[in-house]
Amino acid sequence: AQKVTQAQTEISVVEKEDVTLDCVYETRDTTYYLFWYKQPPSGELVFLIRRNSFDEQNEISGRYSWNFQKSTSSFNFTITASQVVDSAVYFCALSEMGYSTLTFGKGTMLLVSP
Amino acid sequence: GAVVSQHPSWVICKSGTSVKIECRSLDFQATTMFWYRQFPKQSLMLMATSNEGSKATYEQGVEKDKFLINHASLTLSTLTVTSAHPEDSSFYICSARRGTSEWETDTQYFGPGTRLTVL
Repeated sequence: AQKVTQAQTEISVVEKEDVTLDCVYETRDTTYYLFWYKQPPSGELVFLIRRNSFDEQNEISGRYSWNFQKSTSSFNFTITASQVVDSAVYFCALSEMGYSTLTFGKGTMLLVSP
Repeated sequence: GAVVSQHPSWVICKSGTSVKIECRSLDFQATTMFWYRQFPKQSLMLMATSNEGSKATYEQGVEKDKFLINHASLTLSTLTVTSAHPEDSSFYICSARRGTSEWETDTQYFGPGTRLTVL
């Protein structure tokens, strides 16, 4: 069975601080996909990134970066120089090869204060 | 882009009435759509997977007769909450899977959600 754990329930930072959101996953499959979604107060989930299990390269997109490590089954998300607009709930999700359903973590609420 | 819309964005209804929620993929065809339910400060709970032209697959514990799902076209899926009761009040979110490959896990794009309040 697959499982996604986001141990941090809530994180509070002050603007311009860097923050890392942790995601640890469990799966028996060797081929799988990992996702991060952002859910701002409006409620709509915004897709941030999708990685497959064969691609362990870290990725950077502006202030966002992702660190994928198969050895520790982790897919952590770092926001550099956080901004108030980054305040949201962030979900990590996993999907196994051949299945279209997502298994979500419980989410991490990030509050960035001015 | 990959835009998914939902209508209505919020609805208030009386207990015992039925409510229909529409989910549309606006700029792509979606052979598979998903319906989720989210309670305050909780994660998303998958209710059912909807495939175009076939019956929906419901997750364990989800009542098929209460949550009717129809996926009549490649761009539209509907969720009807029948005989709604206060405990059905929740945030309902749909998503659409872009892509048709059986072996590729394509990204799911989410609608803005529908907040249902049953009085």
